[in-house]
Amino acid sequence: SYVLTQPPSVSVAPGQTARITCGGESIEDKSVHWYQQKPGQAPVLVVYDDSDRPSGIPDRFSGSNSENTATLTISRVEAGDEADFYCQVWDSSSDVFGGGTKLTVL
Amino acid sequence: EVQLVGSGGGLVKPGGSLRLSCEASGFSFSHYTMNWVRQAPGKGLEWVSSISGDDSYVYYVGSVKGRFTVSRDNAKNLLYLQMSRLRAEDTAFYFCARGDRGGSSDHWGQGVLVTVSS
Repeated sequence: SYVLTQPPSVSVAPGQTARITCGGESIEDKSVHWYQQKPGQAPVLVVYDDSDRPSGIPDRFSGSNSENTATLTISRVEAGDEADFYCQVWDSSSDVFGGGTKLTVL
Repeated sequence: EVQLVGSGGGLVKPGGSLRLSCEASGFSFSHYTMNWVRQAPGKGLEWVSSISGDDSYVYYVGSVKGRFTVSRDNAKNLLYLQMSRLRAEDTAFYFCARGDRGGSSDHWGQGVLVTVSS
């Protein structure tokens, strides 16, 4: 089965840029989606189809996908961005989620 | 406004059964694939099942095949997850989510807690 690998944690100072990676074999051939989940809340879609943003998501959130790594980039990080982030793809008739990355804003 | 409201969670003994429901509003329910995703307390997201808009396609994660059944009632805008032969490892928050064409889940319900314990 397909596996998505994320770093457990990423830390960044306010105003800096956070990059969260999602590794998978030939992931560039798949559409990657990213979710933000704050404690006690349902996940929220922040990037879909590698690099598109749903309405209402700030343009500080962006995505890319190349070869074996997809990346969620959060520019000008704010304290309110602190959350868990998950990548997801559809593969062989099943959804696959990465293990999640906890973003800490220092 | 798209809304998904889950219900039916609770405490059940190992081997027992439970049916979750998800009431949808604010969109043409029958036009969308719907998904169930679960999250064990303190753990990551795990996809459970998907059902196409006309329920011609259903999919399950391997660990629930033969035990869980997803269904929908498009006339009532309701999504269901019938869970049987429940195990302790099925303990989790269960989220219903609307599937987008590209495979993402663009709207999520609030999650309902299922606890399997004796």
